[in-house]
Amino acid sequence: DAKTTQPPSMDCAEGRAANLPCNHSTISGNEYVYWYRQIHSQGPQYIIHGLKNNETNEMASLIITEDRKSSTLILPHATLRDTAVYYCIVRDRISGGSNYKLTFGKGTLLTVNP
Amino acid sequence: GAGVSQTPSNKVTEKGKYVELRCDPISGHTALYWYRQSLGQGPEFLIYFQGTGAADDSGLPNDRFFAVRPEGSVSTLKIQRTERGDSAVYLCASSLRREADTQYFGPGTRLTVL
Repeated sequence: DAKTTQPPSMDCAEGRAANLPCNHSTISGNEYVYWYRQIHSQGPQYIIHGLKNNETNEMASLIITEDRKSSTLILPHATLRDTAVYYCIVRDRISGGSNYKLTFGKGTLLTVNP
Repeated sequence: GAGVSQTPSNKVTEKGKYVELRCDPISGHTALYWYRQSLGQGPEFLIYFQGTGAADDSGLPNDRFFAVRPEGSVSTLKIQRTERGDSAVYLCASSLRREADTQYFGPGTRLTVL
């Protein structure tokens, strides 16, 4: 079972920031938060990941709460091409066990409107 | 550099036929994964290779499914006696070395069994 909870859908106006929430209240100390997105008819695309500090790259920013029970993916200036299903995944990055099995929930369908 | 590639992009077959789906991982990536995605669902893990060996094939649904990676690079997912329920998008991902590393996905192969 997925360890994360995300809203099924969200809308955002083009050019505005898109803030996608994710609840992971049962996250353990070794588990990272990963975000992928899947544009229609394409494979999942890696966006960003983090442990406890906020992270930023050329695609997005990831804000993780201090208690690590939730996080927010921020697309600072959403474009029509950002319309996709966004998946929040928690996984253990310590080798061993079955941490290679990414567990995808149903994600959030973000629709960016003109 | 080049990402994960998968061929064919689409495959239509008849019930009972045999199919092979190919995955070319990112050059230098030693870990390779297969996932399956049914309509409206997130991807589900099938099998994980580290080098040439299948480290975990627990996600394969039954013995009609088999995967190989003979030289530690290209992998082939083989499905015998296809059934209509096998219709899905089959996704391949690779990661650099350890199973804990970030997985990068290919575009997928859409399999339709008539």
